[in-house]
Amino acid sequence: DSGVTQTPKHLITATGQRVTLRCSPRSGDLSVYWYQQSLDQGLQFLIQYYNGEERAKGNILERFSAQQFPDLHSELNLSSLELGDSALYFCASSVVGSGGIEQFFGPGTRLTVL
Amino acid sequence: GIQVEQSPPDLILQEGANSTLRCNFSDSVNNLQWFHQNPWGQLINLFYIPSGTKQNGRLSATTVATERYSLLYISSSQTTDSGVYFCAVEITGANSKLTFGKGITLSVRP
Repeated sequence: DSGVTQTPKHLITATGQRVTLRCSPRSGDLSVYWYQQSLDQGLQFLIQYYNGEERAKGNILERFSAQQFPDLHSELNLSSLELGDSALYFCASSVVGSGGIEQFFGPGTRLTVL
Repeated sequence: GIQVEQSPPDLILQEGANSTLRCNFSDSVNNLQWFHQNPWGQLINLFYIPSGTKQNGRLSATTVATERYSLLYISSSQTTDSGVYFCAVEITGANSKLTFGKGITLSVRP
């Protein structure tokens, strides 16, 4: 158990809908990362937050947004869902947001868009 | 961007055999991590190893940063070692995102 929690574990929804994925980092970690694992794109970085502020952005679609709250948990919002958004979404956390620090991954949320 | 190549893409072993998984990367890195993705999809941290050698039970890893590669050794493999092994790196001087390789699928047969 990495100490990073994600809810829900599974999510099944329809095209056009909006969903929210939640992540709680390890105790003491200030930085949260979101990654997407899909069959065609592999594992790729979406976005990073550090202590409530956006730190870095990757290949995140405009339909997706995220935030980190004062209690340091984070939410990833996916809207106008398409079939291609079906994927495993991971949250990771690290102590700080700067380089060279180990990231710990949560169990993931499996999203299925029908 | 940085290229992360893992080899071989697939590996089939008999239980008890040893194996070496390789990760090559194209740029200087701050961080290198090895993960095991189990059949349930969970990503398990194996090693944080930007340089040097580490051992954890039957697993060990070596990263030679100057030559831009890392190796993961699995000894006396067990069926529970089956799954996908990922190498992920963080480029020096860039933001702290991890760039993942495509993974190595390991099947250990009883």
